[in-house]
Amino acid sequence: DQQVKQNSPSLSVQEGRISILNCDYTNSMFDYFLWYKKYPAEGPTFLISISSIKDKNEDGRFTVFLNKSAKHLSLHIVPSQPGDSAVYFCAAKLRRGSTLGRLYFGRGTQLTVWP
Amino acid sequence: DAGVIQSPRHEVTEMGQEVTLRCKPISGHDYLFWYRQTMMRGLELLIYFNNNVPIDDSGMPEDRFSAKMPNASFSTLKIQPSEPRDSAVYFCASTGRDPRDANEQFFGPGTRLTVL
Repeated sequence: DQQVKQNSPSLSVQEGRISILNCDYTNSMFDYFLWYKKYPAEGPTFLISISSIKDKNEDGRFTVFLNKSAKHLSLHIVPSQPGDSAVYFCAAKLRRGSTLGRLYFGRGTQLTVWP
Repeated sequence: DAGVIQSPRHEVTEMGQEVTLRCKPISGHDYLFWYRQTMMRGLELLIYFNNNVPIDDSGMPEDRFSAKMPNASFSTLKIQPSEPRDSAVYFCASTGRDPRDANEQFFGPGTRLTVL
């Protein structure tokens, strides 16, 4: 069963507008969350992360928000650029415990930013 | 640094054949991961190694799948016999830090496997 869910397989946004990608998780023990970005014919690359002790982390145009009570996180990209067009994967992990830091990924959301 | 290297990039085979995927991690990285990407399940961890020793193989789907890491610079993922439902993109990733603390896992470009 998917412990990390990205329910929107695709998102289309105009250049300059905000892109909001959503992610839900079921395991309340997850204590660290990450977003990876993937271009065609390449492997995923790390984008941004957030610890469960925070509710927001910002890095340039990218901001991740965490709502622990709702078990929900989102990635905001402002302003969106055509080069942001890629598949975005949400991931979660437990830093401590038997899973030894393994990453649990969602299915991904294809973001398309059009001019 | 050349990054994580995977071969082949594409593999087309027939059901029942043996398939071997190869990975060379980034030099100095002592954690190596094998993932599978499908539309239905997204990115799934199959197995990971630390210092060439398998640490977590709970994601390996069944006995047809096996992975080895004979040395620090090489790993293989073998499927024998292959089935059409094994068709997917297989990624190898590595990191030099404990996965509990590391943000980044560095992924290779993947091997696209098609089993007819």
